[in-house]
Amino acid sequence: DVKVTQSSRYLVKRTGEKVFLECVQDMDHENMFWYRQDPGLGLRLIYFSYDVKMKEKGDIPEGYSVSREKKERFSLILESASTNQTSMYLCASIQADTQYFGPGTRLTVL
Amino acid sequence: QKEVEQDPGPLSVPEGAIVSLNCTYSNSAFQYFMWYRQYSRKGPELLMYTYSSGNKEDGRFTAQVDKSSKYISLFIRDSQPSDSATYLCAMSVAGTSYGKLTFGQGTILTVHP
Repeated sequence: DVKVTQSSRYLVKRTGEKVFLECVQDMDHENMFWYRQDPGLGLRLIYFSYDVKMKEKGDIPEGYSVSREKKERFSLILESASTNQTSMYLCASIQADTQYFGPGTRLTVL
Repeated sequence: QKEVEQDPGPLSVPEGAIVSLNCTYSNSAFQYFMWYRQYSRKGPELLMYTYSSGNKEDGRFTAQVDKSSKYISLFIRDSQPSDSATYLCAMSVAGTSYGKLTFGQGTILTVHP
């Protein structure tokens, strides 16, 4: 019954490292999203994609980029990780009222 | 001021109680309204999805939208310990992807036996 998977549950990286977070969905959805979740701030949209090779900035794209080479896979890239990017990262695959979030990746940047 | 305001709680109720969770919003363009449940160390799970104003019922859950007041509610009847989780409201404008959502902070709910 796998719907959305994320490559890691927990990740620890050092400041300045390049970090890749992978998300895969098996529902053939066109729309995929990356959110981060922080206490007191809720979920905030980083980037989203409506189709292969398409991407659009969300509300907080600074310091992030994304890649969508295949329909089922949407990657979030931290070009040079910083401590303020320590957070829970959630990927979502959404088509109308069919919505699934992945289990999240807890990233700690030291 | 945030576009979507949600009291973070925490809210603690006895088993069997009726729970009322609420969100207010400021953007009158919001047309789609959602409630998610998130268990500890899990991703959010869609509970209720409504369009525009009105009520929607699904089992023990009822979602209400009052666009004139910019206020949405989620009611949980006969609450169970398994309902203990964080509840997130979210909304989006019409014409955009349903996933481009604006979330409230989330309300932490504990239902004790």
